[in-house]
Amino acid sequence: AQRVTQPEKLLSVFKGAPVELKCNYSYSGSPELFWYVQYSRQRLQLLLRHISRESIKGFTADLNKGETSFHLKKPFAQEEDSAMYYCALIPRGVSNYQLIWGAGTKLIIKP
Amino acid sequence: NAGVTQTPKFQVLKTGQSMTLQCAQDMNHEYMSWYRQDPGMGLRLIHYSVGAGITDQGEVPNGYNVSRSTTEDFPLRLLSAAPSQTSVYFCASSYRSNGNTIYFGEGSWLTVV
Repeated sequence: AQRVTQPEKLLSVFKGAPVELKCNYSYSGSPELFWYVQYSRQRLQLLLRHISRESIKGFTADLNKGETSFHLKKPFAQEEDSAMYYCALIPRGVSNYQLIWGAGTKLIIKP
Repeated sequence: NAGVTQTPKFQVLKTGQSMTLQCAQDMNHEYMSWYRQDPGMGLRLIHYSVGAGITDQGEVPNGYNVSRSTTEDFPLRLLSAAPSQTSVYFCASSYRSNGNTIYFGEGSWLTVV
């Protein structure tokens, strides 16, 4: 079955420290993967997608097909990075309503 | 563009009451959906629609009804509210095609007492 797992419900790091939010997926084909972010009292919004290979707000995520992972990383955390982060997967060739969500990781950046 | 607008933002209901959460988008998106967000469970799809007149059930549809009479609007109805429906509800929309960015509303905090 297709599944997205975010093993950490809560991740707390100090400002300036590196951050890695883990995302593992279960899917036999080639998925498209996304990270969405929800800042306090704001709506969920797209942070980045693996197909774009971009860096947004200093975050990057690399798709590792061998380990079926799509971890989100940032070398130096900032306080404004505190938020809820969701990893999501969509199998190729299907519509958006089949997006599969992880349970989310709450990231807290301590001053 | 206003994006995705949902109302109300906060609501307290008594068990057994009914209510409708409104959702509207002005981006001409075909796909609209409702999610509920519960601690430790992430986002769960309640109902979705791929176009006007077409709706279907998601992962947790029980206790909820939807309709899609226009492209813009996708209301979610709670017919007889239960405490288990206490949650944060998000409406979302996107173009139908695979991988398009999903746009979310600001959320509706619903408490059923």
